[in-house]
Amino acid sequence: AQTVTQSQPEMSVQEAETVTLSCTYDTSESDYYLFWYKQPPSRQMILVIRQEAYKQQNATENRFSVNFQKAAKSFSLKISDSQLGDAAMYFCAYRPAYTGNQFYFGTGTSLTVIP
Amino acid sequence: SAVISQKPSRDICQRGTSLTIQCQVDSQVTMMFWYRQQPGQSLTLIATANQGSEATYESGFVIDKFPISRPNLTFSTLTVSNMSPEDSSIYLCSAKGTGMNTEAFFGQGTRLTVV
Repeated sequence: AQTVTQSQPEMSVQEAETVTLSCTYDTSESDYYLFWYKQPPSRQMILVIRQEAYKQQNATENRFSVNFQKAAKSFSLKISDSQLGDAAMYFCAYRPAYTGNQFYFGTGTSLTVIP
Repeated sequence: SAVISQKPSRDICQRGTSLTIQCQVDSQVTMMFWYRQQPGQSLTLIATANQGSEATYESGFVIDKFPISRPNLTFSTLTVSNMSPEDSSIYLCSAKGTGMNTEAFFGQGTRLTVV
């Protein structure tokens, strides 16, 4: 069974500081994709960053970067220089590359940014 | 990327009635999905909307309760039938593009309250 686990229901960070959100997943697939989505109070799910499992290099998007550890099945998100607009619910998601198109979502981490 | 328009954005309905939620994508997509999300919680997949055939429902969801249509590659509807207060939730439409590594795109969600 493919599951995605986010062990931190809530996190907080001081503005301009760095925070890391954790995500682990369970799969028997060797090729897959991992995503971090942000959902602000407006409910609109927005893609933050994407990682292909076959790539060893960690993905980065401006202030957002991931630490992808394939052997450990770990996919954490680091937010640098946190801004007030980063406050949101963050969901980690997994999708197998070949066996179906379903996305599997974690339970989410609510991030608060303290001014 | 794809832009998804979902409507209505919110509604308050009487128990026993039905509500149809519409989802329009601005480009052709291969897969469309419908999710339910309780406030502050993760996404639960209701079904995958298949173009030209019946939707594929996840365990715990049935066609009689959640009929889905997908008449073409850019449009889908989800009906919540014979509503009860337990159906109060956020309903999200999602779509995936044609590429192997594409992410899921989301509509703004529909906040449904059944009274």
